[in-house]
Amino acid sequence: DTAVSQTPKYLVTQMGNDKSIKCEQNLGHDTMYWYKQDSKKFLKIMFSYNNKELIINETVPNRFSPKSPDKAHLNLHINSLELGDSAVYFCASSPNSREADTQYFGPGTRLTVL
Amino acid sequence: AQTVTQSQPEMSVQEAETVTLSCTYDTSESDYYLFWYKQPPSRQMILVIRQEAYKQQNATENRFSVNFQKAAKSFSLKISDSQLGDAAMYFCAFHNAGGTSYGKLTFGQGTILTVHP
Repeated sequence: DTAVSQTPKYLVTQMGNDKSIKCEQNLGHDTMYWYKQDSKKFLKIMFSYNNKELIINETVPNRFSPKSPDKAHLNLHINSLELGDSAVYFCASSPNSREADTQYFGPGTRLTVL
Repeated sequence: AQTVTQSQPEMSVQEAETVTLSCTYDTSESDYYLFWYKQPPSRQMILVIRQEAYKQQNATENRFSVNFQKAAKSFSLKISDSQLGDAAMYFCAFHNAGGTSYGKLTFGQGTILTVHP
C-alpha cells in the first residue's frame, strides 16, 4: 500500500485556471507538508499542517491555499495559475512536528502551466 | 536562517567504486538533524541516512555512511561499492531540533550522481 499518495501525478493547464492537488497518507502521521521543486530541482517548503492546523506558511502567494479536512489529507488549491507555478509539488508527512522525524514523501505532481 | 550548500552540481563514479558527496551548512543552533535524500529519475524522494547533531558517531546504513564534522559544519555522504541503482540526485537537508521548527526541512541544491558500468 502506498504510504503517501498524490493525485494527479501530472497536471497540464492554461494560465489563469484554478486547480487542486490532493494528498493522502495512511501512516497515521500528525504532520503533513507541501514542498515545491522548481525547474532547477531546488526544493522549498511551502506549508505544514499539524493535526489539521496550519503551522508553517513560507511566504507563499495567497493564490495558494492549503486545506486539511483531516489529519490524513492535505490538499493544495491554486488560483489564477501563472507560468511560474510550473514545478513539481511534493506532499510529505511525518509522525509529528515537534521532533525531527523522518519525512515520507509522495511521488510528486508535475504541474505544467501553458 | 539556516542554509545548506552542496558545491558539487554533478559527480560520477564507476560501478563498485566509492564516491563522496559534499554538504556544508550554516546555523547558529547547536541541536539539529541532518539528512541525505535520494531522488532517482522516478522523482520519488527517498531517505538515505540521517544524523543527529548530538551524536558523535557517524551514521551508517549498509553501503552509505556519513562524515559529520560539527565544528566545520560539514556533512558528507560516502557511497561504497556503488551500484547502477545509486544513480540519482542527492539532496542534503537540515532540520533544527528546536520546537518552533515545526518539521521544516531546508534542502541543498542537490548533486546529480552518475554511475558508469
